[in-house]
Amino acid sequence: GENVEQHPSTLSVQEGDSAVIKCTYSDSASNYFPWYKQELGKRPQLIIDIRSNVGEKKDQRIAVTLNKTAKHFSLHITETQPEDSAVYFCAASIYTGTASKLTFGTGTRLQVTL
Amino acid sequence: GAVVSQHPSRVICKSGTSVKIECRSLDFQATTMFWYRQFPKKSLMLMATSNEGSKATYEQGVEKDKFLINHASLTLSTLTVTSAHPEDSSFYICSVKGSTSGILYNEQFFGPGTRLTVL
Repeated sequence: GENVEQHPSTLSVQEGDSAVIKCTYSDSASNYFPWYKQELGKRPQLIIDIRSNVGEKKDQRIAVTLNKTAKHFSLHITETQPEDSAVYFCAASIYTGTASKLTFGTGTRLQVTL
Repeated sequence: GAVVSQHPSRVICKSGTSVKIECRSLDFQATTMFWYRQFPKKSLMLMATSNEGSKATYEQGVEKDKFLINHASLTLSTLTVTSAHPEDSSFYICSVKGSTSGILYNEQFFGPGTRLTVL
């Protein structure tokens, strides 16, 4: 089955700096890559996603890049703010309609310091 | 999108008892529901996938007789932890996929989770 690796496990940046989180996946058939933000004790919230037919997607301070050949995808957060502090999970799935399941990475704990 | 609720949010039970957790989607046709387990500071591990009206598909290593899943309607799924033991203590989260107002969503919408503590 699919295996998703995520790095780093923890990341500390100063407010205003950029943060980059990287993931790799094993199944070349995966074609949907969402990123979730989870605050302590809360539900995961989708922040951005990308499909395999595009290489990059941006939404304000957040961007995701995908390299299908290398099976890498990354989350980029620019101009970080304290409220960006949370655990971020990448995921991969093979979208086949309604039943596609997600395989999650191990998570990155991002700490934005003042 | 979907608004997903779980009940209860927290439950403490004695070892050997069974606990039922409900996952509801509001104004959303949840054709597929997923149940995850999350240990502290760990990732979400998929336990099972269920389609409305069908038996759940369990992931490898998940005991189907211990974790009973029922997805009887498009808005409700239940997870019952039978004969719970301390090692079953965890954060259980459901998610839904489906449609509303004729729009099919690829995204999974997560519930707020249920923290189970087995004494």
